[in-house]
Amino acid sequence: DSGVTQTPKHLITATGQRVTLRCSPRSGDLSVYWYQQSLDQGLQFLIQYYNGEERAKGNILERFSAQQFPDLHSELNLSSLELGDSALYFCASSVVGGLEQFFGPGTRLTVL
Amino acid sequence: GENVEQHPSTLSVQEGDSAVIKCTYSDSASNYFPWYKQELGKGPQLIIDIRSNVGEKKDQRIAVTLNKTAKHFSLHITETQPEDSAVYFCAASRGGGADGLTFGKGTHLIIQP
Repeated sequence: DSGVTQTPKHLITATGQRVTLRCSPRSGDLSVYWYQQSLDQGLQFLIQYYNGEERAKGNILERFSAQQFPDLHSELNLSSLELGDSALYFCASSVVGGLEQFFGPGTRLTVL
Repeated sequence: GENVEQHPSTLSVQEGDSAVIKCTYSDSASNYFPWYKQELGKGPQLIIDIRSNVGEKKDQRIAVTLNKTAKHFSLHITETQPEDSAVYFCAASRGGGADGLTFGKGTHLIIQP
């Protein structure tokens, strides 16, 4: 158990809908990263937040957005969902200045 | 941007034998190289990492080597056990605390009893 928690574990929704995925980092970690894992694209970095501020951006679509709250939990919002957005979404966290990223158990999103 | 290639995609070895997984990277500014193990239905688990100022690092049965000149790094698992069966991912980043990881496509390691 990495100490990173993600909810929900599974999410099934329809095309065009909007969903919110939630992540709580390990105690004391200020950085939160979001990744998408799919069969065709593999594991891809989406976005990083550090202490409430966006720190780095990867291959995140404009339909996706994220934020980190004062209690350091983070939410990833996915809107206008398409079939191709079906994937596993992972959150990871790291300590201040740390390189090691510790991953949560993921949320499996299915878009029908 | 960074590109990480990983080989092989599948590796089957006899229990007790060694396994080697290789990765190459393209960005010479990358300086942090972690390896993750992912079991079915779970998130990636960090098993070992290496920074660019080190050539080799070992932790019990696993070791990682880095060749900065050739831009490649490898994972070595000795005395393989059934519980080593999983998908292994290499990754690279520039570090500095403001960079996501770029992952390879993964290697499915199968330990044959």
